[in-house]
Amino acid sequence: GQNIDQPTEMTATEGAIVQINCTYQTSGFNGLFWYQQHAGEAPTFLSYNVLDGLEEKGRFSSFLSRSKGYSYLLLKELQMKDSASYLCAVRDRGIKAAGNKLTFGGGTRVLVKP
Amino acid sequence: DAGVIQSPRHEVTEMGQEVTLRCKPISGHNSLFWYRQTMMRGLELLIYFNNNVPIDDSGMPEDRFSAKMPNASFSTLKIQPSEPRDSAVYFCASSPSGRPYNEQFFGPGTRLTVL
Repeated sequence: GQNIDQPTEMTATEGAIVQINCTYQTSGFNGLFWYQQHAGEAPTFLSYNVLDGLEEKGRFSSFLSRSKGYSYLLLKELQMKDSASYLCAVRDRGIKAAGNKLTFGGGTRVLVKP
Repeated sequence: DAGVIQSPRHEVTEMGQEVTLRCKPISGHNSLFWYRQTMMRGLELLIYFNNNVPIDDSGMPEDRFSAKMPNASFSTLKIQPSEPRDSAVYFCASSPSGRPYNEQFFGPGTRLTVL
């Protein structure tokens, strides 16, 4: 099985930086995803890491350390519209043929204040 | 691209009734996933299909839940009989193959309320 932990809630100020941590335990790691979910809406894909290091995509960056079972999502120059839940998800190779199964963490609700 | 289509968007029913949720994946995607999301349990995978074949249904709560994918463009999730604890948002997602990371694209969800 898998165990994915991330903080429940974080608050930050507009224009600031926030880092959302995610730790995981899995038997067959095959990639880590970050999704954004606004209240009442569906999750949308933000980033993907499978190798160690930092992936940068505009204001958002995601980091992975496979040896530590650790990832973080960094949100820079926060805007009010960034208020949302951020879900960490781990893909496991699994024992079945199509290893595309994701297990999601509970999500971190980020509140951006003016 | 129309994205993943789900229907209905909202469903209110009484305990004991049968509920059928529908999903049309993005054309060309060969994997389809059904998730359930609640405040208490977060986003949970119920079942997923690859090329219309169920691959992993270990997340299906119990025999009251069943899912089918008769063809590449349609899937259903059925609950019979429904119970109040089934109240949740049910998401369908699809993903392609052959790309580096095969991210999942989520539909808008069906908000189910069982009274």
